[in-house]
Amino acid sequence: DIQMTQSPSSLSASVGDRITITCRASQTISNYLNWYQQKPGKAPKLLIYATSNLQNGVPSRFSGSGSGTDFTLTISGLQPEDFATYYCQQSYSAPLLTFGGGTRVET
Amino acid sequence: EVQLVQSGAEVKKPGESLKISCKDSEYSFINYWIGWVRQMPGKGLELMGIIYSGDSDTRYSPSFQGQVTISVDRPISTAYLQWSSLKASDTAMYYCARLHFDNSGYYRFDSWGQGTLVTVSS
Repeated sequence: DIQMTQSPSSLSASVGDRITITCRASQTISNYLNWYQQKPGKAPKLLIYATSNLQNGVPSRFSGSGSGTDFTLTISGLQPEDFATYYCQQSYSAPLLTFGGGTRVET
Repeated sequence: EVQLVQSGAEVKKPGESLKISCKDSEYSFINYWIGWVRQMPGKGLELMGIIYSGDSDTRYSPSFQGQVTISVDRPISTAYLQWSSLKASDTAMYYCARLHFDNSGYYRFDSWGQGTLVTVSS
């Protein structure tokens, strides 16, 4: 199984900050990496697929990069609605995908 | 756009059986994968298993193999997640999600149900 490890597990930030979340795969996954955002009491929402492609309607302050085993999600200019939990997910072993443990972004 | 609508919250006792559903309210189950994702209270997301609506090919994540059954009724565009004997540790929110794949071979869950809360308590 491919294991996904996110860091940090939580981070404290302020509106306007630039933040970066890291995701590491236990083996190379090329660029088969997705990112999701989840707010309390809500279903997850797809933000980025294939490492760096923004899902329709996702603001351009979100960006993703990486390849192989190491990936990052960056939010440039954090907005109040961005305080949420973020999950990476590998799709290399589709259709059985695995999620990272999540990163909670709080104020 | 795919719209997945899940059945309502359930409260069950240990040992009871349960089947929850996920209906595609916008389209027929044209060939795609539907996954079930567990989220235990205060915890992260875990893919339990996934089923292909075209031929019912089903794959389970190792931790969930033998613990649940996933099925699909294509004529009514509905997928199911079933337990034969619930445990208190099955208490969680359960989401269904559609696995989209594109011509480049990239997969992602692009549409999610609203979630079904299952509470198992004596």
